[in-house]
Amino acid sequence: GDSVTQMEGPVTLSEEAFLTINCTYTATGYPSLFWYVQYPGEGLQLLLKATKADDKGSNKGFEATYRKETTSFHLEKGSVQVSDSAVYFCAISNTGTASKLTFGTGTRLQVTL
Amino acid sequence: GAVVSQHPSWVICKSGTSVKIECRSLDFQATTMFWYRQFPKQSLMLMATSNEGSKATYEQGVEKDKFLINHASLTLSTLTVTSAHPEDSSFYICSAQLQGFSYNEQFFGPGTRLTVL
Repeated sequence: GDSVTQMEGPVTLSEEAFLTINCTYTATGYPSLFWYVQYPGEGLQLLLKATKADDKGSNKGFEATYRKETTSFHLEKGSVQVSDSAVYFCAISNTGTASKLTFGTGTRLQVTL
Repeated sequence: GAVVSQHPSWVICKSGTSVKIECRSLDFQATTMFWYRQFPKQSLMLMATSNEGSKATYEQGVEKDKFLINHASLTLSTLTVTSAHPEDSSFYICSAQLQGFSYNEQFFGPGTRLTVL
């Protein structure tokens, strides 16, 4: 079945540092790829998505590129802020929509001043 | 944006009792809602897909008689954990699907932490 592997946290960075959270997946066909973010005390929110190879999803300074050849969807941000502290989940869906998502284990990011 | 609420946010119950968790879409109608379970330091596992006006679709390995799902309206789905046992202790998360023009997005509730003593 489908699976998602993302780097374990927590990741601790100083403000304005560069962020990379690795995500790789195993799936049949051509899944859609997602990054969700969960701020403390809130539900998961869609951060960005990509639906086909070489697509780049971007939002709030975060980016991730759909790399089919390496089955990866790494999350990056050039300069993190304290407000980016949250748990980040990589997810895939093989249904063409956001139905039946398969999630990674989540990576906690802590940004300090 | 679309908001989904869950109630209660946490619950502690005795072994053998039943617990009901509500999931509401506050500002949109959702014909489809999803129920997930999350163990500590593990990923969200889809338990079932809840469809308004019809029976839920359960994932393999999920006991439908143990986890009763009712999607009685376009804004409310409930998950009842029947005869709860300590192994049912977990974090339960729901999501509601908003159907868009070209893409259906899931909006997630904040989760309910269940502890069974």
